[in-house]
Amino acid sequence: ILNVEQSPQSLHVQEGDSTNFTCSFPSSNFYALHWYRWETAKSPEALFVMTLNGDEKKKGRISATLNTKEGYSYLYIKGSQPEDSATYLCAFSNDYKLSFGAGTTVTVRA
Amino acid sequence: EAQVTQNPRYLITVTGKKLTVTCSQNMNHEYMSWYRQDPGLGLRQIYYSMNVEVTDKGDVPEGYKVSRKEKRNFPLILESPSPNQTSLYFCASSAWTGGNYGYTFGSGTRLTVV
Repeated sequence: ILNVEQSPQSLHVQEGDSTNFTCSFPSSNFYALHWYRWETAKSPEALFVMTLNGDEKKKGRISATLNTKEGYSYLYIKGSQPEDSATYLCAFSNDYKLSFGAGTTVTVRA
Repeated sequence: EAQVTQNPRYLITVTGKKLTVTCSQNMNHEYMSWYRQDPGLGLRQIYYSMNVEVTDKGDVPEGYKVSRKEKRNFPLILESPSPNQTSLYFCASSAWTGGNYGYTFGSGTRLTVV
């Protein structure tokens, strides 16, 4: 079982503030790092798939960076809005398996 | 609409009564996988399939079976369910093995075994 850790487990952020959180993963045999957004009562939806060290991806106010040498990725939310409230999952692939972290639950307070 | 369809959405069953959760995708994806989600543990992979007739164990395969007779379908079979298999189950598919493409998830099946 691949050890994928996310921190913090949960966080609260005021509307309009920016925030970020971390995913750490094994630095050997790296194929790809995924980020998913999971809203309550829905299915996880893919945000980003990153494959190269130094990759940066952006989708609206959400962006992610990747450091494969040290085994971590950051997800950033700029100017948080209530609709950003969700659990954000990262997942690490080193072959045909995709192993997920337990997620960071973000609650945006109006 | 491109999607992964799981059925049923909710299921309550008794210990030992065989059940099947169906999963079907309409995107012609080679790769399909089953996960279970338990509080505090994140999504854990049960089985995956890289193509028709090619399946392999994930991290928590005990008590489950799968088959991939057609590209679009990947059913999850619990031959003799037990209460520790009470969980939220997700089927997912992807265009490519090796994890270079994002997964599309089904809506989930909440299973309760009493």
